[in-house]
Amino acid sequence: QKEVEQNSGPLSVPEGAIASLNCTYSDRGSQSFFWYRQYSGKSPELIMFIYSNGDKEDGRFTAQLNKASQYVSLLIRDSQPSDSATYLCAVRGGATNKLIFGTGTLLAVQP
Amino acid sequence: DGGITQSPKYLFRKEGQNVTLSCEQNLNHDAMYWYRQDPGQGLRLIYYSQIVNDFQKGDIAEGYSVSREKKESFPLTVTSAQKNPTAFYLCASVRGGGDQPQHFGDGTRLSIL
Repeated sequence: QKEVEQNSGPLSVPEGAIASLNCTYSDRGSQSFFWYRQYSGKSPELIMFIYSNGDKEDGRFTAQLNKASQYVSLLIRDSQPSDSATYLCAVRGGATNKLIFGTGTLLAVQP
Repeated sequence: DGGITQSPKYLFRKEGQNVTLSCEQNLNHDAMYWYRQDPGQGLRLIYYSQIVNDFQKGDIAEGYSVSREKKESFPLTVTSAQKNPTAFYLCASVRGGGDQPQHFGDGTRLSIL
């Protein structure tokens, strides 16, 4: 089992819809969770981070964390074509304190 | 402006050659990291350093070396022992420890000649 798993996609949504990106992790001791956006050929850019169970909202983005079920998700409301990118989930391990990345989900927002 | 600067953007390596990728940050961050990204894959940790003059191997350190002589600099050398060096190399830094998010430089794309 991979330490951080994401569906590779592509996830295709129409413009204006809600995009839902999911991530599961295996280390139950993980404490902090990050979402990065990566455009093709570019470096990852931090979108959101979350530490506590529940929801955290920032503009059109909402991160959701459920530690009991070991998943974290990212919702993008009113999706725009400019949101089309690969979204990387990263989890800071409980034991090692290192950041473990998933392979990313490719999001395509159709105009 | 504060940030993380990686150079060069593109680098070509000849057979048997060592090459060094530069990473400099002026954010006063304590910890710095090197990752490798292959097409369609996530980031894999090569080396990291939490304080000056100290660094640890990551998951794929073989064929790479680093130094951390100054807080703001963390160069990565890709040695000739790394047989498949073609990848996108990313440097990141973070303030302090704990839960702070890592921020990335723009990356260096390394290819074999």
